[in-house]
Amino acid sequence: SQKIEQNSEALNIQEGKTATLTCNYTNYSPAYLQWYRQDPGRGPVFLLLIRENEKEKRKERLKVTFDTTLKQSLFHITASQPADSATYLCALAPNSGYALNFGKGTSLLVTP
Amino acid sequence: GAVVSQHPSWVICKSGTSVKIECRSLDFQATTMFWYRQFPKQSLMLMATSNEGSKATYEQGVEKDKFLINHASLTLSTLTVTSAHPEDSSFYICSAVAYRGRNSPLHFGNGTRLTVT
Repeated sequence: SQKIEQNSEALNIQEGKTATLTCNYTNYSPAYLQWYRQDPGRGPVFLLLIRENEKEKRKERLKVTFDTTLKQSLFHITASQPADSATYLCALAPNSGYALNFGKGTSLLVTP
Repeated sequence: GAVVSQHPSWVICKSGTSVKIECRSLDFQATTMFWYRQFPKQSLMLMATSNEGSKATYEQGVEKDKFLINHASLTLSTLTVTSAHPEDSSFYICSAVAYRGRNSPLHFGNGTRLTVT
């Protein structure tokens, strides 16, 4: 079966440090992988999309890598701020469709 | 741009009653809308895909007679939870795309917290 796995344990880091979140997947052949941010009681917000032929994608303090051999994506937030505290979701479209499947997300807490 | 409005943001209803949730794309036409459900500390679970002017496609295990979806226009989709029971209590979130494709980012509403007493 298709699975998207994210570290379920919360990640606590100090302000200014780089946060790194991991997304592993099985039985997907994704052409694209997406990352979203979700705040408590709110809908997810799209952050970044990376294509299979892109090794790395950047947007401001965010960086995403995509390794289709390892079947893994890493999501980095550099110079993290308390406002970055949220749950970050990894998402993939199933092989036969375009609706997104989501991982459980990793909760990030950035402390001053 | 790409704003999706969902209403109501929360609702409490009695067991056996029906609840309607609206999802509107405010500044774009949504060819497709998706309905998700999320339990605490769990991932978003896709319930159904809604295409304008056609019947919704439901995921395995989702009762189409219980969760009625209507996508009457390019900017409005509704989810009606019929004969709600306490186990239907959850966070329901709609999302929309302007164009179909596996690279389409989803634009989400802010969800509806349903509590069935």
